[in-house]
Amino acid sequence: EAQVTQNPRYLITVTGKKLTVTCSQNMNHEYMSWYRQDPGLGLRQIYYSMNVEVTDKGDVPEGYKVSRKEKRNFPLILESPSPNQTSLYFCASSPWPLATNEKLFFGSGTQLSVL
Amino acid sequence: AQTVTQSQPEMSVQEAETVTLSCTYDTSENNYYLFWYKQPPSRQMILVIRQEAYKQQNATENRFSVNFQKAAKSFSLKISDSQLGDTAMYFCAFMKRRAGGGADGLTFGKGTHLIIQP
Repeated sequence: EAQVTQNPRYLITVTGKKLTVTCSQNMNHEYMSWYRQDPGLGLRQIYYSMNVEVTDKGDVPEGYKVSRKEKRNFPLILESPSPNQTSLYFCASSPWPLATNEKLFFGSGTQLSVL
Repeated sequence: AQTVTQSQPEMSVQEAETVTLSCTYDTSENNYYLFWYKQPPSRQMILVIRQEAYKQQNATENRFSVNFQKAAKSFSLKISDSQLGDTAMYFCAFMKRRAGGGADGLTFGKGTHLIIQP
């Protein structure tokens, strides 16, 4: 089954404790990206990647790191989480360029709480 | 930078009615995609419909259709014969295609919470 898998689904942590949210896709997609969703703000892009070893900042990259060492994986790293990073996070992937009837596939989301 | 505006934070209609969700965007680009995503309480992001900017014909997908007005930078979603399962957050999104084949990521609006009343 074609899917984007994020782990964990829920995470509670404390300020300053490094964490990684994993994202993996099994569709050989070139394009992968991370978003955060906050009430009243919609989804905002953190980072995206067009291919292996190619990453670009989105609209809200501060406090986050990513890597794309393999095509299928795109982990999101919070080196020193802070309470303002409490949010719902989504990973997404798609082929590129988008052909007719193709779309972004989203993971199921990771609810992160930083205390 | 692109911006996407959804001017209706919440809407409520009766089951079986038709409802239109508005979306406007601001861009100087000519080559881009537009999307409507649905997010039910499960938080899953579900693609409802997509439109390529170069296509003049409005996209349709069963009960869902769009009114794409490129000059006005408007991309509204019409849901016909609304059903209880249509209750969800709806997000409008824009993706620019870069010259040379790359792309920027999706820029989302803030969402419209649609409630279908029985």
